[in-house]
Amino acid sequence: GESVGLHLPTLSVQEGDNSIINCAYSNSASDYFIWYKQESGKGPQFIIDIRSNMDKRQGQRVTVLLNKTVKHLSLQIAATQPGDSAVYFCAEIDGSEKLVFGKGTKLTVNP
Amino acid sequence: DAGVIQSPRHEVTEMGQEVTLRCKPISGHDYLFWYRQTMMRGLELLIYFNNNVPIDDSGMPEDRFSAKMPNASFSTLKIQPSEPRDSAVYFCASSNRGYNSPLHFGNGTRLTVT
Repeated sequence: GESVGLHLPTLSVQEGDNSIINCAYSNSASDYFIWYKQESGKGPQFIIDIRSNMDKRQGQRVTVLLNKTVKHLSLQIAATQPGDSAVYFCAEIDGSEKLVFGKGTKLTVNP
Repeated sequence: DAGVIQSPRHEVTEMGQEVTLRCKPISGHDYLFWYRQTMMRGLELLIYFNNNVPIDDSGMPEDRFSAKMPNASFSTLKIQPSEPRDSAVYFCASSNRGYNSPLHFGNGTRLTVT
């Protein structure tokens, strides 16, 4: 089975609130993790990545947290906007050196 | 840069017909990936190339699928003969350091086989 999965398939938030999307992975040897955003009718778009020698990385309005102890990854979006509505995928370089995608979480931002 | 360019955006064909999907990677990227996306299975890697050479085709479903990369700026994914279960969105992606750098995806080709 897949080594990357998501706790919540859907997430609905109010505009302006912060969003947190979670992801679990099972391969403790994985050393590179990526978050992608996919809008309807488009391909996945790179948001932010993190390597296993870090536990936090920040971008513009986004933060990725990596907890290697419990094999958990999260994406935090600050001040969520309607344009953030999309499906978010976490992806992991697994032990076979392949990029494995999770099933995705659909984020809906309500005005 | 125009990004990864795929054509056609939509393809509707009848079972048994040959289908050819096309991809132009980002200039300078020497890794090219073909993925398939369905609701049931999510994003699956079909094959990837490095410097125009196929490196891993273990994800290609069966012999009906073939992929080529005749030069650094062009790749094709061919299905012959097509079947209804091949209906999916097919994505091409490229990167400059394989999996050690983010993949840049095209907007995909939505294939419907009737």
